[in-house]
Amino acid sequence: GQNIDQPTEMTATEGAIVQINCTYQTSGFNGLFWYQQHAGEAPTFLSYNVLDGLEEKGRFSSFLSRSKGYSYLLLKELQMKDSASYLCASDSGNTPLVFGKGTRLSVIA
Amino acid sequence: DAGVTQSPTHLIKTRGQQVTLRCSPKSGHDTVSWYQQALGQGPQFIFQYYEEEERQRGNFPDRFSGHQFPNYSSELNVNALLLGDSALYLCASSRTRDNEQFFGPGTRLTVL
Repeated sequence: GQNIDQPTEMTATEGAIVQINCTYQTSGFNGLFWYQQHAGEAPTFLSYNVLDGLEEKGRFSSFLSRSKGYSYLLLKELQMKDSASYLCASDSGNTPLVFGKGTRLSVIA
Repeated sequence: DAGVTQSPTHLIKTRGQQVTLRCSPKSGHDTVSWYQQALGQGPQFIFQYYEEEERQRGNFPDRFSGHQFPNYSSELNVNALLLGDSALYLCASSRTRDNEQFFGPGTRLTVL
């Protein structure tokens, strides 16, 4: 079966750092996606991790541990515009992406 | 280069009606996937089309059907609409050997 878990909601302060966790249990695993989705809009690609470790891309970084079935998205120097839902999705090759329910992040002043 | 486009943007239907949603993939993409996203939930996979055939299907009833045309564009049809079909319908395109999917802006369907 396929199961993706991530927290439902998080709140963080402007300028701070926030870590959004994702655990997955999937039959077959190629890699893990993170998408950002603003309310009423389509998901936009943030990162794709295949290998263990941390990948940094500007203010956003994503980490993967294949042995633990665990990933996190790290957002630094938070801005108000980062308020959005963050979706993790498991990629199992030929099967379609399996998404978690998303973590709704609120950035407050 | 146009990204993934979908039409219409918004749609209101009543129970029992039928609806057709349309998607044009990103240039160079040959695979189209459709997702349903209920409010506060992650996208749920409906089906995927490649070479004009349904390649994979998620856990959705036969009321949900689709089609892919020779130009790779696609349609999603839903018959006998239920209130629970109200959702954002997302189309995503990709190249068959690539992992990354590019999403369209979605069609917001409201069933009254």
